[in-house]
Amino acid sequence: GEDVEQSLFLSVREGDSSVINCTYTDSSSTYLYWYKQEPGAGLQLLTYIFSNMDMKQDQRLTVLLNKKDKHLSLRIADTQTGDSAIYFCAESRNSGNTPLVFGKGTRLSVIA
Amino acid sequence: NAGVTQTPKFRVLKTGQSMTLLCAQDMNHEYMYWYRQDPGMGLRLIHYSVGEGTTAKGEVPDGYNVSRLKKQNFLLGLESAAPSQTSVYFCASSPPLAGLSVEQFFGPGTRLTVL
Repeated sequence: GEDVEQSLFLSVREGDSSVINCTYTDSSSTYLYWYKQEPGAGLQLLTYIFSNMDMKQDQRLTVLLNKKDKHLSLRIADTQTGDSAIYFCAESRNSGNTPLVFGKGTRLSVIA
Repeated sequence: NAGVTQTPKFRVLKTGQSMTLLCAQDMNHEYMYWYRQDPGMGLRLIHYSVGEGTTAKGEVPDGYNVSRLKKQNFLLGLESAAPSQTSVYFCASSPPLAGLSVEQFFGPGTRLTVL
């Protein structure tokens, strides 16, 4: 299909790790992004990965990229209640000549 | 810097009324975008602009018009509002560092209800 696919919901216990998955479509994507949307707010860039990388780590966040399977994941270690939000995956397409394409978002709920 | 701002934050319209949503950015970005967000549908691109005086259609352009008369402003117009246009509207902007592939900066959103 043409969509960027994400599961819609994820629920984890506080202190556990969260893994949010995304599949994308364009093998020539240069950048892949993770955005976070807190309730009532706009999207904010959380992290991104360049397509020639397999992994990127930034404090509690780990991004894994499997280009062969066109699969992107975001792992949040030691998940906190403040991590409850909607997480959007986004890919660049057409070598950057068209706007980013966003997934539908994964709603992460953290249970105390 | 204020970043990306949107006016108004909330609006209620009756079917058939018109209105304009204003987006402003103070980051000197070339590219600007209008999205709508609906439950279960994610973000859908309505229109975008790669520079002053230029606009292009996105995924769901019908029923909307846009104008980019000044680099810092991107206006979204609804000529005859319909209940199907009830949504949360987000504006975003990005610099032209790598075409349209780069990070987008989002405004706080406008919640529009059409009765």
